[in-house]
Amino acid sequence: QVTLKESGPALVKPTQTLTLTCTFSGFSLNTTAMRVSWIRQPPGKALEWLARIDWDDDKFYSTSLKTRLTISKDTSKNQVVLTMTNMDPVDTATYYCARSYGASGGYFDYWGQGTLVTVSS
Amino acid sequence: EIVLTQSPATLSLSPGERATLSCRASQSVSTYLAWYQQKPGQAPRLLIYDASNRATGIPARFSGSGSGTDFTLTISSLEPEDFAVYYCQQRRNWMYTFGQGTKLEIK
Repeated sequence: QVTLKESGPALVKPTQTLTLTCTFSGFSLNTTAMRVSWIRQPPGKALEWLARIDWDDDKFYSTSLKTRLTISKDTSKNQVVLTMTNMDPVDTATYYCARSYGASGGYFDYWGQGTLVTVSS
Repeated sequence: EIVLTQSPATLSLSPGERATLSCRASQSVSTYLAWYQQKPGQAPRLLIYDASNRATGIPARFSGSGSGTDFTLTISSLEPEDFAVYYCQQRRNWMYTFGQGTKLEIK
């Protein structure tokens, strides 16, 4: 059974750095063609893909947020970590991690429940 | 960045009716397009991938079509649980993008 769960602070102040952890089970990021992405959704708005890390440690970032994002993995703990620097109120959103796998590896077949992050002083 | 434009923004239909949702890409994505369903307070659920393939466990009333820049999600006969927001997403390149969503509401 594949599960993913996001964890991190519910509230951050402007200019602070956000660190989110995705803890997953039921699959391994050592498996060829396995990938984990972070996606966010501001309240009442659309989904926005942020970053992806692959089984071979390749990393990809949204061009608009690239300078602020870092994604990493700890395969021994089955975790993927996203850091976002210089947080702003417009970054208030539900942050999801999601898995993609295989030849159609750009689609997200399993998602976490999401974690709401509010940016406010 | 490939921009996906969904139409209509809101679609009001009754159970039993047929729903047709559209997604247009700013440049060709071949058939590298997916559809997701999202209900309030829930994560999105993958419905269709590679434009026309149903994901595991998705009912046959959901179908997808299209290629290049124009795509359609069709729900043949709406069930009460189908009223939700639907998003398209492309994977033509590594910079994945989503459409802005179509809200399917009960008329």
